[in-house]
Amino acid sequence: AQSVTQLGSHVSVSEGALVLLRCNYSSSVPPYLFWYVQYPNQGLQLLLKYTSAATLVKGINGFEAEFKKSETSFHLTKPSAHMSDAAEYFCAVSEGDSSYKLIFGSGTRLLVRP
Amino acid sequence: GEEVAQTPKHLVRGEGQKAKLYCAPIKGHSYVFWYQQVLKNEFKFLISFQNENVFDETGMPKERFSAKCLPNSPCSLEIQATKLEDSAVYFCASSQSSGSGYTFGSGTRLTVV
Repeated sequence: AQSVTQLGSHVSVSEGALVLLRCNYSSSVPPYLFWYVQYPNQGLQLLLKYTSAATLVKGINGFEAEFKKSETSFHLTKPSAHMSDAAEYFCAVSEGDSSYKLIFGSGTRLLVRP
Repeated sequence: GEEVAQTPKHLVRGEGQKAKLYCAPIKGHSYVFWYQQVLKNEFKFLISFQNENVFDETGMPKERFSAKCLPNSPCSLEIQATKLEDSAVYFCASSQSSGSGYTFGSGTRLTVV
């Protein structure tokens, strides 16, 4: 069965500092992996996705993530945090052809200090 | 259009009343998904459709929940005899395929009082 673990329910960084949000997954088949961002009282916006092409994936708003099969990880990074990055971030996995549904992690709230 | 439209944005129902939520997926997207977000963060998969056919309903509490996607109509999620624990935000998403990513609507907040 698939699962996603996001380490740290809250991450606090200073404006301009590196952002690192951790995601580990388990899947019995090569997965599709996604990062979504949720701003207060809004839906989910897709930041980036991994679908078995390049292992380093670039997304919107300067975010990127690296798929590491040996570590079963898909951590999200951004070199320099902006105040506008403060939001809830969700990692999700899909088994691709066998089941299209997304399994979500429990989310990480990113706080950006001025 | 290029967005998933969910209506209403907010819905308040007394315990035992019926609730019906609507979702218009993006044109050309074959798959529609319903998720329930409870307790601030947890997303629970409910059901998915491939066009008007149920694709995966493993997450549906079948006693009170039902869903449809009919041609030329918004998809719907209906809860008969709502309970307090049904209070949540219900998100709809649509997709062309699993690898193309899912576009989410802005959700319907259901409050059962």
